[in-house]
Amino acid sequence: SAVISQKPSRDICQRGTSLTIQCQVDSQVTMMFWYRQQPGQSLTLIATANQGSEATYESGFVIDKFPISRPNLTFSTLTVSNMSPEDSSIYLCSVKPGHSYEQYFGPGTRLTVT
Amino acid sequence: RKEVEQDPGPFNVPEGATVAFNCTYSNSASQSFFWYRQDCRKEPKLLMSVYSSGNEDGRFTAQLNRASQYISLLIRDSKLSDSATYLCVVGDSSYKLIFGSGTRLLVRP
Repeated sequence: SAVISQKPSRDICQRGTSLTIQCQVDSQVTMMFWYRQQPGQSLTLIATANQGSEATYESGFVIDKFPISRPNLTFSTLTVSNMSPEDSSIYLCSVKPGHSYEQYFGPGTRLTVT
Repeated sequence: RKEVEQDPGPFNVPEGATVAFNCTYSNSASQSFFWYRQDCRKEPKLLMSVYSSGNEDGRFTAQLNRASQYISLLIRDSKLSDSATYLCVVGDSSYKLIFGSGTRLLVRP
């Protein structure tokens, strides 16, 4: 499976500010995704990061709040904009390396908004 | 109704026990099925994919029943290291994953 890293691993931010999270993979992958895991909850898909085009967002998530970039096949960023305490969560990227349906997750970014 | 439903647990079992987890999903057009394991404060790790023919990996056996929209995971000879949350996950044709809320397993000495 691919080796996935995320930066930062954790951060504490003030409300109203923005944070950009980076996801780096050690090999080219066909698809990358961003998920959120709120405290005590399971994972929810935010969006599919499309290489060379705008991300595809799930219901309840919008580009103005969660802008995503994917400049190449090994890297993506997720920005959490104008943060509020409700944005306190773990944000995880995942990758689908090849023709199978399997996905692998990065270690996550633990965000606390005060 | 949730798209993927699981027994909430926790399941508290002694070492060596056999434990079974169940999961149901609502979308009959689902394409892929998985069990992930998540340890506390860690990311989910793929445990195994699940196929209609059933598949086994050591002490772990997974089964899919498409007609009943039902997925199961059997763990034999439980180890202390099996203590974790087990996530039932279903994928659609666009590779989006839908996660169940997870079943917590505690294996005691």
